[in-house]
Amino acid sequence: GDSVTQMEGPVTLSEEAFLTINCTYTATGYPSLFWYVQYPGEGLQLLLKATKADDKGSNKGFEATYRKETTSFHLEKGSVQVSDSAVYFCALSDAAGGTSYGKLTFGQGTILTVHP
Amino acid sequence: KAGVTQTPRYLIKTRGQQVTLSCSPISGHRSVSWYQQTPGQGLQFLFEYFSETQRNKGNFPGRFSGRQFSNSRSEMNVSTLELGDSALYLCASSLDGARGQPQHFGDGTRLSIL
Repeated sequence: GDSVTQMEGPVTLSEEAFLTINCTYTATGYPSLFWYVQYPGEGLQLLLKATKADDKGSNKGFEATYRKETTSFHLEKGSVQVSDSAVYFCALSDAAGGTSYGKLTFGQGTILTVHP
Repeated sequence: KAGVTQTPRYLIKTRGQQVTLSCSPISGHRSVSWYQQTPGQGLQFLFEYFSETQRNKGNFPGRFSGRQFSNSRSEMNVSTLELGDSALYLCASSLDGARGQPQHFGDGTRLSIL
């Protein structure tokens, strides 16, 4: 079945540091890939997405490139801020038809803490 | 445009009881998905509804059920509650649930079982 693996956390950085959160996936079809962010006490917010190989999703300074050859979708940001502290989830939506309708498969989440 | 609304935000129940959670999707969205979030298991897909029909279901026991109304609002029911059902239950909506469509999440209902 489908699965998503994220790098172990938590990740602690100083403000303005470079961020990378690794994400690799296994899918039976040709999935769409997403990054979601969750702030304390809230639901998930879509950060960015990519639907085909070599697509780059970007939003709020975050970027991720869909790499089919390495089955990866790593999240990067050049300069993090304290306000980026949250839990980040990598997710996929497979293209395998009926059994995939409305279903996202998530990684385990990576806690990011940014210190001033 | 209003987001996904879940009610109530918090619930406390005891073992053996049943509970109903409600979700109002974004206007125009016809697909509603439900997820369970726990520290141990992470985010797990429960089921998805579209046009009042369950199209997809995750690996949860039959105690977990749902329905969708003609206005796309959805409810989730858990019967005979167990301690392990304590979790954050998240609802998400999208236009039609197809691959590539982002899902928009509510803030969740936190269910605590005593």
